[in-house]
Amino acid sequence: GDSVIQMQGQVTLSENDFLFINCTYSTTGYPTLFWYVQYSGEGPQLLLQVTTANNKGSSRGFEATYDKGTTSFHLQKTSVQEIDSAVYYCAMRDQSDNNNAPRFGAGTKLSVKP
Amino acid sequence: NSKVIQTPRYLVKGQGQKAKMRCIPEKGHPVVFWYQQNKNNEFKFLINFQNQEVLQQIDMTEKRFSAECPSNSPCSLEIQSSEAGDSALYLCASSPHERLFFGHGTKLSVL
Repeated sequence: GDSVIQMQGQVTLSENDFLFINCTYSTTGYPTLFWYVQYSGEGPQLLLQVTTANNKGSSRGFEATYDKGTTSFHLQKTSVQEIDSAVYYCAMRDQSDNNNAPRFGAGTKLSVKP
Repeated sequence: NSKVIQTPRYLVKGQGQKAKMRCIPEKGHPVVFWYQQNKNNEFKFLINFQNQEVLQQIDMTEKRFSAECPSNSPCSLEIQSSEAGDSALYLCASSPHERLFFGHGTKLSVL
């Protein structure tokens, strides 16, 4: 079945460090890929999404490229700030099935120290 | 700020009690989802609706949960007989097409 894998449960960085969060996916369908961010005490919110293979999505300095060859959608940011501290979820939705629910990875908790 | 409204924010129940939570989706969004998020931040899909009709649901939801999305009323998710393992954050999300818009969630504690 479909799956989304995030291996890093927790990442701790200092301000201005480079961020890289792994995400790989598995599906027999046609995925739209997402990154959601969840700040403490809130529900998740969309950070970025990409529908077409080999395209890049970007938002607020974050970037992710839908790499069909490696089935990956890694999240990157050149210089993190303390306000970026949150839990980041990679997610996937099969475009070929309108009834399906997006599948989420296990999440990566980012802590940025001042 | 999220326009998906979930109530209550916190819910405390004893084992065996009913636990009911509500969700007002964002206006114009035809699809509503319920997810359970455990203390390890993992998401479990429970059920989704398109307008008032169930699209998909998992076995657990079919057996112990009841959910509905009546027209002109909030959607609701109810656990018939709460268990300790049901303690979690219950997230409602609505969707116009692909992306999901989440509420703040209802944090259920089953003592």
